[in-house]
Amino acid sequence: GQNIDQPTEMTATEGAIVQINCTYQTSGFNGLFWYQQHAGEAPTFLSYNVLDGLEEKGRFSSFLSRSKGYSYLLLKELQMKDSASYLCAPLTDSWGKFQFGAGTQVVVTP
Amino acid sequence: DAGVTQSPTHLIKTRGQQVTLRCSPKSGHDTVSWYQQALGQGPQFIFQYYEEEERQRGNFPDRFSGHQFPNYSSELNVNALLLGDSALYLCASSLFPGLNYEQYFGPGTRLTVT
Repeated sequence: GQNIDQPTEMTATEGAIVQINCTYQTSGFNGLFWYQQHAGEAPTFLSYNVLDGLEEKGRFSSFLSRSKGYSYLLLKELQMKDSASYLCAPLTDSWGKFQFGAGTQVVVTP
Repeated sequence: DAGVTQSPTHLIKTRGQQVTLRCSPKSGHDTVSWYQQALGQGPQFIFQYYEEEERQRGNFPDRFSGHQFPNYSSELNVNALLLGDSALYLCASSLFPGLNYEQYFGPGTRLTVT
């Protein structure tokens, strides 16, 4: 079957670093996406890993280990606006079919 | 450049009724995917349309059907609504085939079934 696990909620203070882990088990795999979703809004693209290793994009970095079925999203220099749900989404085929995790709610406190 | 648009924004229906949701993809995109997102959950893949055909389908009953028009816009139809169909319905567009699988999501339609 297909399974995606990520923590339900994480809390961190402004300026800190938070790492959101995601483990996945899918029938197909073509890469791992991370999306940010603010309450009541649509998900927005953050990062994409297709090969093993670290991808850095400003304050956000994402890591992938295909052999371990593991990815993490690193959020640095947290800002209040980073309070949102972060969705781990393996791409399960070449047609663009995503399997989304339930999301990790990140709460940034002053 | 208009992004993905969806209509209506909110909708309230009664159990047993039928509903049609609409989506216009981002300019230049030709593939539309539909997702259902229940409260506190991640989006669940319903189906995907490309070249006016349903290319892939998730684990949803036949009550969920769709259509894609020549201008790439799409409709999602749900028949015989159940209370459990209450959710945010998201449309995402992308360009296929391509090296970039990034999907752009619309703002969603909030469906409430009473």
